[in-house]
Order: sequence, then C-alpha cells, then structure tokens
Amino acid sequence: EPEVTQTPSHQVTQMGQEVILRCVPISNHLYFYWYRQILGQKVEFLVSFYNNEISEKSEIFDDQFSVERPDGSNFTLKIRSTKLEDSAMYFCASRGLSTGGWSPLHFGNGTRLTVT
Amino acid sequence: GQNIDQPTEMTATEGAIVQINCTYQTSGFNGLFWYQQHAGEAPTFLSYNVLDGLEEKGRFSSFLSRSKGYSYLLLKELQMKDSASYLCAVRDSSGGSYIPTFGRGTSLIVHP
Repeated sequence: EPEVTQTPSHQVTQMGQEVILRCVPISNHLYFYWYRQILGQKVEFLVSFYNNEISEKSEIFDDQFSVERPDGSNFTLKIRSTKLEDSAMYFCASRGLSTGGWSPLHFGNGTRLTVT
Repeated sequence: GQNIDQPTEMTATEGAIVQINCTYQTSGFNGLFWYQQHAGEAPTFLSYNVLDGLEEKGRFSSFLSRSKGYSYLLLKELQMKDSASYLCAVRDSSGGSYIPTFGRGTSLIVHP
C-alpha cells in the first residue's frame, strides 16, 4: 500500500536555527497537510496546500513557517528561526480526490523535532 | 471552532467490548473521523461518519448522532494490539474550512 514518507525521523537543532522537514506524499494525492503534536497533547493543524498554494493555515502557522512543493514529489515545511516551543512531532499528511464528498488523511510517521 | 470532548483514558480486558465516546459542538458539521494512534507513530484512519447511524468495519464500528453532537467508536473482541490512542476528528465547514480538528484522544489500555 502506498504511504507518506517523512525525513528525517528525528531532528535536533539549536534555538534560532532554520530547519526543513521533508515529506513525500502519496503519488496520486492532490491535497497536502502539515500537523504537529506536542508531546502528550493533541494533533494540531498547521497548514494545507493544494494546487501549488496554501489553501488554509492555522494561527500557529505564523511568518516563521513556510511550505513548498519544490518538485512533483516533495513537500517541505521550513521553520525559519526555531524556538523551544517548536519542539514537537510534525506529521505530513496527504489525501486524494474525494469520492462521495470525503477522503481520509494519510499520515506519515512524523519527524520528531527537538529544539535545544 | 469545534469543542471536541473524549475521555482521557479507558481500560478494558482482552476479548471484551469497549465503547469510546466523543461529543462535539460545531456550527457547520461536515463529517467525523476516527483515527488510531500507537505511541510514537502516525494516526491511521479507522472510520468516517457524516450521516446518522452505525458504520461497521470488521471488529470496529462507529456511530453518529448529529442532533446530539455525539459519536462513539465500538471495538469488539479486543486484542492487546488495540492498546493505543483513539482520536476523534470533526470537520466544520461553517467558515469554509474542510480541515478536520482533532480531539485530545482517548488512551485505551487493553490488559490480559
């Protein structure tokens, strides 16, 4: 079964550094997402991306965050200047075209980001 | 936005049946998802309800009552591997969004 892949699985960085988290969505999917989950807390929406542009973003997704689809397969999340509170598991997700008005999100295994 | 409420933790015995409840408040309900998440892993899709009633898929069933803002996930013939967090996620399209919002999840512990 096709799956969403994320790299790296773990990333440790110093406060103020830039990080790029990478994702390869399922190949025929058109909608892409980033969510994060701080340890012990709920999964929170960051941003959705469709047709090469951001379609929705949450309050968490401020100017320090950006997303890009640099080619036909990769989908990246960049954090420009990391803060301690950015430490979390970051999940990429994708979904295909809706059939009957819905389709589920398929999540990658996540990148655990630790900011020191 | 949505207000999604689930019990924090439940325990059950292997072979038994467990029901995990989810209540929500939305102004433009447009679907409810259940996901399973093992510790340190990605959420995986279990079920989707948009109309009232029961959806059955093997050992797992999900029920929805839109008038009550209520759903449950029913797990039958529990196995040790069912120990995981179960996430209820609701889609509210009142503001034009189709993004599911997740509840805090219910941690299910299955013991022998």
